[in-house]
Amino acid sequence: RKEVEQDPGPFNVPEGATVAFNCTYSNSASQSFFWYRQDCRKEPKLLMSVYSSGNEDGRFTAQLNRASQYISLLIRDSKLSDSATYLCVVTSHNTDKLIFGTGTRLQVFP
Amino acid sequence: DADVTQTPRNRITKTGKRIMLECSQTKGHDRMYWYRQDPGLGLRLIYYSFDVKDINKGEISDGYSVSRQAQAKFSLSLESAIPNQTALYFCATSDLDRTTNTGELFFGEGSRLTVL
Repeated sequence: RKEVEQDPGPFNVPEGATVAFNCTYSNSASQSFFWYRQDCRKEPKLLMSVYSSGNEDGRFTAQLNRASQYISLLIRDSKLSDSATYLCVVTSHNTDKLIFGTGTRLQVFP
Repeated sequence: DADVTQTPRNRITKTGKRIMLECSQTKGHDRMYWYRQDPGLGLRLIYYSFDVKDINKGEISDGYSVSRQAQAKFSLSLESAIPNQTALYFCATSDLDRTTNTGELFFGEGSRLTVL
């Protein structure tokens, strides 16, 4: 089993739609969680950290479910510019290593 | 100018050749990393360095070596390139957030390597 698993997609959604991605992780000791965004042929960039209580940044909401060992990303009112691959990243407190998921591709169409 | 700069951006080489990918950063971060990205496999850590005197193997270090010449420079070498090392290589830097014991990664624009 991979340490971090994501549905590769693609998720094809119309502008204005709400879309959600999940990411599961296998190491129950994982302490920190992030979502990165990667545009086609570009480098990944941090989208948002994921906090235990959940957090929101504009149209984006991240949630953590420790009991079921998954994190989620919700995008409301999708824009064409949201089209990208979303990478789930997990770290263990005692290793400092960041483990990347393979990414979920989102395509927003007009 | 980019904060994390990788050279070359694209390289085609032949099996058995020695290749060096260079990375320099102006962010002043101590931590530097080399990843490779392959379709369907995501980003995998090759080597990382938490300061000039600290070098650590990642999950796929075989066939690679690194050199941390200065705080700002971290180079990756393929001593004898083979076709399955064809990939997109990313250098990254980070600072340390002691709350989370990790930090945001800042990536270079990537180096696309093709080994024939």
